[in-house]
Amino acid sequence: IAGITQAPTSQILAAGRRMTLRCTQDMRHNAMYWYRQDLGLGLRLIHYSNTAGTTGKGEVPDGYSVSRANTDDFPLTLASAVPSQTSVYFCASSSSGGPDTQYFGPGTRLTVL
Amino acid sequence: ILNVEQSPQSLHVQEGDSTNFTCSFPSSNFYALHWYRWETAKSPEALFVMTLNGDEKKKGRISATLNTKEGYSYLYIKGSQPEDSATYLCANYGGATNKLIFGTGTLLAVQP
Repeated sequence: IAGITQAPTSQILAAGRRMTLRCTQDMRHNAMYWYRQDLGLGLRLIHYSNTAGTTGKGEVPDGYSVSRANTDDFPLTLASAVPSQTSVYFCASSSSGGPDTQYFGPGTRLTVL
Repeated sequence: ILNVEQSPQSLHVQEGDSTNFTCSFPSSNFYALHWYRWETAKSPEALFVMTLNGDEKKKGRISATLNTKEGYSYLYIKGSQPEDSATYLCANYGGATNKLIFGTGTLLAVQP
């Protein structure tokens, strides 16, 4: 692994189903982030984690949860998916939770029907 | 300015043209301004992180300037090439959230 990986690449999901998007980084970065990208709205922060064991809410956290059991992994869970969660989801990491450069994964395209 | 704003929304230029676009951001509680390059079907890649008023950074034909007092940054591309076609995002770290707040980007299309 080099950098950040996300899985799945894309997914079509029925409304009401539970879904976990996976994100793994091998750079030993302390901070990790989840963004969603919607047309005309740019990248919006869903949740973040400044270090393993801690998480925080971003700009649009409702309907999503995260966990950070270790440094490398930062899964994003949709407990009961709704069509408005159709989006492209990007995971990112940075050395610290401050203003450092963020490195992005390839994204997961999620469609909720 | 409460949010990060980028202009123009899109730009079409001919190969060889030089171009520039603007990022405006809240000047209060400023820490850093990021520029990212985002090619279609790829993920955003960092170009510059700028922190000091008057900063100027350069990478090849791309350069950026920063004015933290008035809250704007310019990105310049000299002699645009088709491979420069991408969306250029800026993001402000600071303000009320102390997290990166992204603009909606400027979509650049360079025609051969």
